Amino acid sequence: EAEVAQSPRYKITEKSQAVAFWCDPISGHATLYWYRQILGQGPELLVQFQDESVVDDSQLPKDRFSAERLKGVDSTLKIQPAELGDSAMYLCASSRRLAEYNEQFFGPGTRLTVL
Amino acid sequence: KQEVTQIPAALSVPEGENLVLNCSFTDSAIYNLQWFRQDPGKGLTSLLLIQSSQREQTSGRLNASLDKSSGRSTLYIAASQPGDSATYLCAATAGNMLTFGGGTRLMVKP
Repeated sequence: EAEVAQSPRYKITEKSQAVAFWCDPISGHATLYWYRQILGQGPELLVQFQDESVVDDSQLPKDRFSAERLKGVDSTLKIQPAELGDSAMYLCASSRRLAEYNEQFFGPGTRLTVL
Repeated sequence: KQEVTQIPAALSVPEGENLVLNCSFTDSAIYNLQWFRQDPGKGLTSLLLIQSSQREQTSGRLNASLDKSSGRSTLYIAASQPGDSATYLCAATAGNMLTFGGGTRLMVKP
């Protein structure tokens, strides 16, 4: 069964360091999403791609966060510099296309701890 | 802006009980409503997706209903088992946005 892949699964870093997360969506899925989930809360969308183009990054803290999907397949989310408040689970999801009935499939997530 | 609320935030029941988890949303112009399960420290597993034209969906012991006019969805779990212990999240799709509730942490005691 096809799955969304993410790496690393866990990352511990010190504040002011740079971190990067990788996501490989399900093959054939044109739309890719990055979410941040703070412990005890629901996920919140950071950025959404359709193929290689950003559709929505209104909630992405652009002073420190960046995301790219250069070839329209896998994607990288970067944080530089990391802050204590960035400690959270970072989830990647994909769906077939940007449409009304877009069931999203989630990866296992990357748990980030900033010390 | 869509807001999604889940009540209760936490629930503990003995094994075998039937239970209902509630989800409410403020913007009734949704495309679909999706229920997810999340085990501690893990990603999200999709359980059921109800399209806006549907009233309910069933999968095994799970049944989800949708009432767009009242802005509510419920997830019914029949004959609960300890393996059902997890956090259950609902999410409403409106426009290009999937908005999640805060989740209900369910514990089913043997």
